[in-house]
Amino acid sequence: NAGVTQTPKFRVLKTGQSMTLLCAQDMNHEYMYWYRQDPGMGLRLIHYSVGEGTTAKGEVPDGYNVSRLKKQNFLLGLESAAPSQTSVYFCASSQGRNTGELFFGEGSRLTVL
Amino acid sequence: QQQVKQSPQSLIVQKGGISIINCAYENTAFDYFPWYQQFPGKGPALLIAIRPDVSEKKEGRFTISFNKSAKQFSLHIMDSQPGDSATYFCAVPRGGSTLGRLYFGRGTQLTVWP
Repeated sequence: NAGVTQTPKFRVLKTGQSMTLLCAQDMNHEYMYWYRQDPGMGLRLIHYSVGEGTTAKGEVPDGYNVSRLKKQNFLLGLESAAPSQTSVYFCASSQGRNTGELFFGEGSRLTVL
Repeated sequence: QQQVKQSPQSLIVQKGGISIINCAYENTAFDYFPWYQQFPGKGPALLIAIRPDVSEKKEGRFTISFNKSAKQFSLHIMDSQPGDSATYFCAVPRGGSTLGRLYFGRGTQLTVWP
């Protein structure tokens, strides 16, 4: 059981370039999320989705776009990367019940030069 | 605006000792309050969670104490082991429903010396 899989695991971009991070989950979860983790800042929610075809903004959505065309996939896009977007990005999914449990992927480390 | 205040930022404990991490929140929350554990190079994983109508929950060496009136909860790790060395995050549900919209604390890096 793979759980939550993120690709790529590492990426280096130049300022202004675009890229897409892919998240796939095989647990049939309705809810999916993208977080970013920066040193000393904890995890901050970028965007989330409560079901196929839906997306919503989190705490720090500026500079990012997302799409949830299929239930199992959640894509995070950067249209014009900036150095401030250098971070580790985590995708997570949940069943949607109020248990506080999110299942996280192993992260994608992005560096913007 | 910081919704969750976690302390300490780092903690060094000797093997067999007790590790205590504290969390205070500001918003009114109704659902589960989880603690997550993260090892280097890995994603966070749920360690233990407590419902707000319970004052304490214990799972093995890990205990959550919850004080609803003070809006505080803490994680206690008894008989700390080197394998417990990790970063710990508390989280608070956003608004009245969890649904994964959690405010995370900034994390506590725990080091347990053998």
